[in-house]
Amino acid sequence: DAKTTQPPSMDCAEGRAANLPCNHSTISGNEYVYWYRQIHSQGPQYIIHGLKNNETNEMASLIITEDRKSSTLILPHATLRDTAVYYCIVRALTGTASKLTFGTGTRLQVTL
Amino acid sequence: NAGVMQNPRHLVRRRGQEARLRCSPMKGHSHVYWYRQLPEEGLKFMVYLQKENIIDESGMPKERFSAEFPKEGPSILRIQQVVRGDSAAYFCASSPPLAGIIEQETQYFGPGTRLLVL
Repeated sequence: DAKTTQPPSMDCAEGRAANLPCNHSTISGNEYVYWYRQIHSQGPQYIIHGLKNNETNEMASLIITEDRKSSTLILPHATLRDTAVYYCIVRALTGTASKLTFGTGTRLQVTL
Repeated sequence: NAGVMQNPRHLVRRRGQEARLRCSPMKGHSHVYWYRQLPEEGLKFMVYLQKENIIDESGMPKERFSAEFPKEGPSILRIQQVVRGDSAAYFCASSPPLAGIIEQETQYFGPGTRLLVL
C-alpha cells in the first residue's frame, strides 16, 4: 500500500471547517483513500473513503486531486467532539480483504 | 445493529500469566482483524481471520501469540506468558463477506481491550 504523509497536528476553532490534508504521491490506480479517526484511545472510527471522485457523507467530505496524489478531509463545522487523531490510509482493494496500515496521523484540536 | 464488541475492556495480568481477549464481530460480518496499539504509538496490524481460517498473520509475534475465529462464538486473541511489553490496547475490527463491492471491505472497529501486565 502507498505511503501517506500528514501534518502531525492542526488546530481548528469550533464551528469552523477543519481541512485535513494528506499526501499520497505514490498512489496506484487501484488504491483507495480511506480516512479513520481515533478519539482519545477509543477504537478507530471509519469516516469516509474514495477512489477519484469527491465524496460526501453525514460526517465529512473527501476531496481528491485530479492526479490523486493528495486529498483533503473536510469537517464542515468542527465541534469539540471532533478532537481526535485523523488517519489517512491508502489501501488497495483487490477482491481479498486486507489489513489497514496506520501512520502517525494528524492530531486535530478543536478549540472554543 | 450492535457494533463490534470486545471483552473484557480492561484486563490486568501478572507476568507469566495468560491473557485471552474476545471479539464478537458485527452481525453478518465474517472477517475479523486484530490490531495492537502500544502506548503513544499507532495501530499495528496483527492478524486477519475468517471463520476457522487464518488468512494473514504477518503482524503476529512468532511466539506466545495466537488467534482463532471458530465456527461458533467470538474470535479469541490469546497471549501466553505475558510480559510487560505486551501492555497495550488491542483492537478488533470486522468487515462483511466479500461480494465484489468496495464498501463491503470497510473495517469497523470495536472499543478495544486494554491489557496491563504487572
